[in-house]
Amino acid sequence: GENVEQHPSTLSVQEGDSAVIKCTYSDSASNYFPWYKQELGKRPQLIIDIRSNVGEKKDQRIAVTLNKTAKHFSLHITETQPEDSAVYFCAARANFGNEKLTFGTGTRLTIIP
Amino acid sequence: EAGVAQSPRYKIIEKRQSVAFWCNPISGHATLYWYQQILGQGPKLLIQFQNNGVVDDSQLPKDRFSAERLKGVDSTLKIQPAKLEDSAVYLCASSPGYSETQYFGPGTRLLVL
Repeated sequence: GENVEQHPSTLSVQEGDSAVIKCTYSDSASNYFPWYKQELGKRPQLIIDIRSNVGEKKDQRIAVTLNKTAKHFSLHITETQPEDSAVYFCAARANFGNEKLTFGTGTRLTIIP
Repeated sequence: EAGVAQSPRYKIIEKRQSVAFWCNPISGHATLYWYQQILGQGPKLLIQFQNNGVVDDSQLPKDRFSAERLKGVDSTLKIQPAKLEDSAVYLCASSPGYSETQYFGPGTRLLVL
């Protein structure tokens, strides 16, 4: 089955700086990679996703890059703000049949004012 | 559009007791998922329904966990009897189809004493 590793487990950055979270996956058949943000005590919410036919995707201050050859993908947050503080999860899934979404272990991001 | 609803939000029980969780997915979503999220980890899929049929329950501890989605809408997840290691947040998610974006509910936080 799929195995997703996520690094770092915790990350602190100064407000205004950039944050990068990296994930690797094991199943070369995976072709859908979402990122979820989970604030304390709240539900995971999708913030951005990427499919394997695209190498990079941006949405305002958030971007995700994908390297299928190396089997890794990254989340980039620029101009970080206090409200970006949360736990971020990456996930991977093959988009055929009923393949399940496999999550990474999460990164706790803290933005220092 | 209303989101995924779950109840109760919190539950405290003693080991060997039984507990049930309820989920109401987003209207029209055919696929429903139950995840277990242990503190400090990413969500782990327990069971996936497509309408009222089970698609994947390979990670469901079937000796103590059961789930149903009889009419293809609401779902219940039951634990009987509970163990200390079942303490976790139980998240329900739904999607229009099994290869589409998953939307999470607020979760039920279970503490087994």
